[in-house]
Amino acid sequence: GQQVMQIPQYQHVQEGEDFTTYCNSSTTLSNIQWYKQRPGGHPVFLIQLVKSGEVKKQKRLTFQFGEAKKNSSLHITATQTTDVGTYFCAGARQAGTALIFGKGTTLSVSS
Amino acid sequence: KAGVTQTPRYLIKTRGQQVTLSCSPISGHRSVSWYQQTPGQGLQFLFEYFSETQRNKGNFPGRFSGRQFSNSRSEMNVSTLELGDSALYLCASSPWGSGGAGAYEQYFGPGTRLTVT
Repeated sequence: GQQVMQIPQYQHVQEGEDFTTYCNSSTTLSNIQWYKQRPGGHPVFLIQLVKSGEVKKQKRLTFQFGEAKKNSSLHITATQTTDVGTYFCAGARQAGTALIFGKGTTLSVSS
Repeated sequence: KAGVTQTPRYLIKTRGQQVTLSCSPISGHRSVSWYQQTPGQGLQFLFEYFSETQRNKGNFPGRFSGRQFSNSRSEMNVSTLELGDSALYLCASSPWGSGGAGAYEQYFGPGTRLTVT
């Protein structure tokens, strides 16, 4: 079945350093979504990418969707302690199907 | 608007028992999905309901079932509980529905933490 893999599983950075998490699917995706879950919290929707090669920015966060629509990345510039949490990518193989989540990348930031 | 609410927030059950969890979506949202979250398996899709119909189902045994009411509120039931069912059960609603849960952003509730002893 469809799998969505995320790397790395964990990442620790010093405040101010950059951070990137990668998401790879075994099949072409109709769209990719990114969520953030703070410790003890629930996943919160960040963004959705639909088009091949799409790049979207939200302040210090940059999201990319690969040309083949099989991979995606989230890059955070100059991390802050408020960026701590687990970042999940999630994709659907085609419209009408379920959202499959990657296992997430847990980011810790030390000041 | 109020967010997605789930009740109860915490639950302790014994093996073999059954449990029913409840989810109230954001007002106006008609699509409701359920997920199981565990440290080892991450977020796994259980099922999705739209307009009282189950539209998608994940790879879980038949002990896991759900339903949706005409007001979009949803319940999920787990019968004959096993130790491995201990998890955070998350409900998510979506403002749209025609494209399936995978097509639109999901708004998650705080979850129900189920512990099976």
